[in-house]
Amino acid sequence: GEDVEQSLFLSVREGDSSVINCTYTDSSSTYLYWYKQEPGAGLQLLTYIFSNMDMKQDQRLTVLLNKKDKHLSLRIADTQTGDSAIYFCAESITGGGNKLTFGTGTQLKVEL
Amino acid sequence: GAGVSQSPSNKVTEKGKDVELRCDPISGHTALYWYRQSLGQGLEFLIYFQGNSAPDKSGLPSDRFSAERTGGSVSTLTIQRTQQEDSAVYLCASSSQRYEQYFGPGTRLTVT
Repeated sequence: GEDVEQSLFLSVREGDSSVINCTYTDSSSTYLYWYKQEPGAGLQLLTYIFSNMDMKQDQRLTVLLNKKDKHLSLRIADTQTGDSAIYFCAESITGGGNKLTFGTGTQLKVEL
Repeated sequence: GAGVSQSPSNKVTEKGKDVELRCDPISGHTALYWYRQSLGQGLEFLIYFQGNSAPDKSGLPSDRFSAERTGGSVSTLTIQRTQQEDSAVYLCASSSQRYEQYFGPGTRLTVT
């Protein structure tokens, strides 16, 4: 079955790097995603990685995928107060119409 | 261009009443998804439309829930005889390709 887990909370200082982790159980995952949700807002797609890739970098964001351990991480370099939000990882399954299974979300708090 | 829009942004209804939630996808997007976000269940897939194909209704929690998509564009999610456990934020997403979903701001439904 599909199950995606994340730690609930992360606190970092402004300017530091943040690393948000996610584990999933379905080895059929095709794409893995990171979404950001600010208070009262919808989900903003940050980045995604195809399951045959190990790493993807996009400006301050780096996604690492360890397919053997079914572990996905999102690193945010030079974290800013505007990065404070809830971050969701999600997976989609081949042949599943790309419907997403989401993790529980990690609340990132950036302190001055 | 315009993103996914949803209406109403907030809806308060009495238990037992029917409600309709609307989603306007990004123009030209052939795929449309409904998800639900609640405190107890997190983010859950509800239903998926792709072009003229039969919708994937596998995530609908009960037969009180239904959705349609007219003309391959606007979608309406209908909840009949609402219950308090239906209280949640209902999110719509659309996609032109199979791996990027763009979300609307959501409709917050409160059943009293």
